[in-house]
Amino acid sequence: DQQVKQNSPSLSVQEGRISILNCDYTNSMFDYFLWYKKYPAEGPTFLISISSIKDKNEDGRFTVFLNKSAKHLSLHIVPSQPGDSAVYFCAASASGGSTLGRLYFGRGTQLTVWP
Amino acid sequence: KAGVTQTPRYLIKTRGQQVTLSCSPISGHRSVSWYQQTPGQGLQFLFEYFSETQRNKGNFPGRFSGRQFSNSRSEMNVSTLELGDSALYLCASSWEGFQETQYFGPGTRLLVL
Repeated sequence: DQQVKQNSPSLSVQEGRISILNCDYTNSMFDYFLWYKKYPAEGPTFLISISSIKDKNEDGRFTVFLNKSAKHLSLHIVPSQPGDSAVYFCAASASGGSTLGRLYFGRGTQLTVWP
Repeated sequence: KAGVTQTPRYLIKTRGQQVTLSCSPISGHRSVSWYQQTPGQGLQFLFEYFSETQRNKGNFPGRFSGRQFSNSRSEMNVSTLELGDSALYLCASSWEGFQETQYFGPGTRLLVL
């Protein structure tokens, strides 16, 4: 049962434009959300996170938006650069009990930024 | 501050053998989580350890086990290897293990022949 879903397996964007990666979740107990960037055969690199008490968090070119009522979050990258080309994973966690230490991941979106 | 380290980086084993993977967390982090990544299943949670205790376990067979030492370093073991165990094994560390960022190591690529 996939509790975190990234419905777009790939996204292609021109350099300098905005990249928008989307993520949906089904578990209303999720209260902390993260985005990771990953290259093949490497570990995921943390990009940005957001707590459920917020609806927006920015860090440089990266902004994450959270819509709790829609159970949807998105990652905006502005401006996109060729070095941003990688697989992006959305992840979520919940507090307490059987969810301790566990992140739930989407299947990832391959972002390609072309010159 | 040093990141999460994992050894070995690459491993080739044959069916039926066992394997032990090691993970050293970021200094001060007490929670270590393990994940398996395969093309078909994505990133799947194996288990999490905090202060030498397993607090959470994913839906994997008993052939997958782990432990954590007093210095927070962790090992995972897979016994009686199967072809389907070929994967990238990732460990991640964090301070307490909930509502916070987990930082990942580079992973161990295991190939079972």
